[in-house]
Amino acid sequence: SAVISQKPSRDICQRGTSLTIQCQVDSQVTMMFWYRQQPGQSLTLIATANQGSEATYESGFVIDKFPISRPNLTFSTLTVSNMSPEDSSIYLCSAIDTLVQYFGPGTRLTVT
Amino acid sequence: AQSVAQPEDQVNVAEGNPLTVKCTYSVSGNPYLFWYVQYPNRGLQFLLKYITGDNLVKGSYGFEAEFNKSQTSFHLKKPSALVSDSALYFCAVSAGTYKYIFGTGTRLKVLA
Repeated sequence: SAVISQKPSRDICQRGTSLTIQCQVDSQVTMMFWYRQQPGQSLTLIATANQGSEATYESGFVIDKFPISRPNLTFSTLTVSNMSPEDSSIYLCSAIDTLVQYFGPGTRLTVT
Repeated sequence: AQSVAQPEDQVNVAEGNPLTVKCTYSVSGNPYLFWYVQYPNRGLQFLLKYITGDNLVKGSYGFEAEFNKSQTSFHLKKPSALVSDSALYFCAVSAGTYKYIFGTGTRLKVLA
């Protein structure tokens, strides 16, 4: 099973600024994903990140707001741009390994 | 369209008693079904999956789930609940693609 780490684990940011979240997988994976989760609620898929191609965004999420990089098969970043308090949430990355999605511990973002 | 329902927001059970967390799904074709657990301030942790084969699947920490095709259900069970099982549980379904649809989550509270 893939082991996934994320940095930072939490941050408090001012509105209008940007934050980049890093996600590292301990093995090479084809597909990585970024989710958003309000505490205690379900997950919402932001985008799918494949190495060597542009990320695929879900309805309601755009590249200008959530640019994603996927430079190799073990690493991805998600940037939350021009933040507003509505962006306060938990951001999770995941990767598929033998049909199962494994998740990182999450980044808890608070925008003031 | 794929969907998954977890009809109970919260399940309370006494320690030592059996527990069941319900999940029903709707998907075209053969479903891939998953259960995850989330402890406070942690990412989602994979418990078990059904892809094909035996309808009763066993997973981590003594949990098991039964795939019932006629009832389109995949309920999570454990014969004897522990206080440490208290957490948020998510059911997820996939139609064989990378896209998972997550349920809304069920909070399990095991009472000592």
